[in-house]
Amino acid sequence: DTAVSQTPKYLVTQMGNDKSIKCEQNLGHDTMYWYKQDSKKFLKIMFSYNNKELIINETVPNRFSPKSPDKAHLNLHINSLELGDSAVYFCASSPTGTSTDTQYFGPGTRLTVL
Amino acid sequence: DQQVKQNSPSLSVQEGRISILNCDYTNSMFDYFLWYKKYPAEGPTFLISISSIKDKNEDGRFTVFLNKSAKHLSLHIVPSQPGDSAVYFCAARGAQKLVFGQGTRLTINP
Repeated sequence: DTAVSQTPKYLVTQMGNDKSIKCEQNLGHDTMYWYKQDSKKFLKIMFSYNNKELIINETVPNRFSPKSPDKAHLNLHINSLELGDSAVYFCASSPTGTSTDTQYFGPGTRLTVL
Repeated sequence: DQQVKQNSPSLSVQEGRISILNCDYTNSMFDYFLWYKKYPAEGPTFLISISSIKDKNEDGRFTVFLNKSAKHLSLHIVPSQPGDSAVYFCAARGAQKLVFGQGTRLTINP
């Protein structure tokens, strides 16, 4: 059983399009995250949700909108895609979101914007 | 303004020898440090962690050392095995979020 799953695994789209990436965790965790791995390979936090409530919202363009229908799901919707959005996006979850929590990552979604 | 840096993009080690991966950070408010391991086409998986109140934590073949005065941590793997070949990320926690380095690709040669 996959603990943290993401769909799709690969996404190729044109500039200006709107796309969504879905994330689901079956670990019963309260906190979920979205990370972006940029071209320099740094993994950077974008958002975190705890029990469907937004906790962390880094300096991310408002074209990116996370949506958490329930605590097992955190989807990422991106409007008006730009070339610079090309990256690998990782979803993660952790039990409570406290400082010593281990985060469990999904396999990543490679987004390519043409 | 990367607060966590791994200055070696790659490292190659002979099987059975010690692998040492290094990480430097700039923010003295970080209170918890972690190492994650990543295989191709998979997400990072947690390996080992250390609190800022400690200077060493050991788990089997893996030991993490923390030097707070130098703002430096290292991961030692001994003996290195072929299955250890992966990208290793160090991460530091502050303000309820993890800050990751850019990773070091470790290759274990038979």
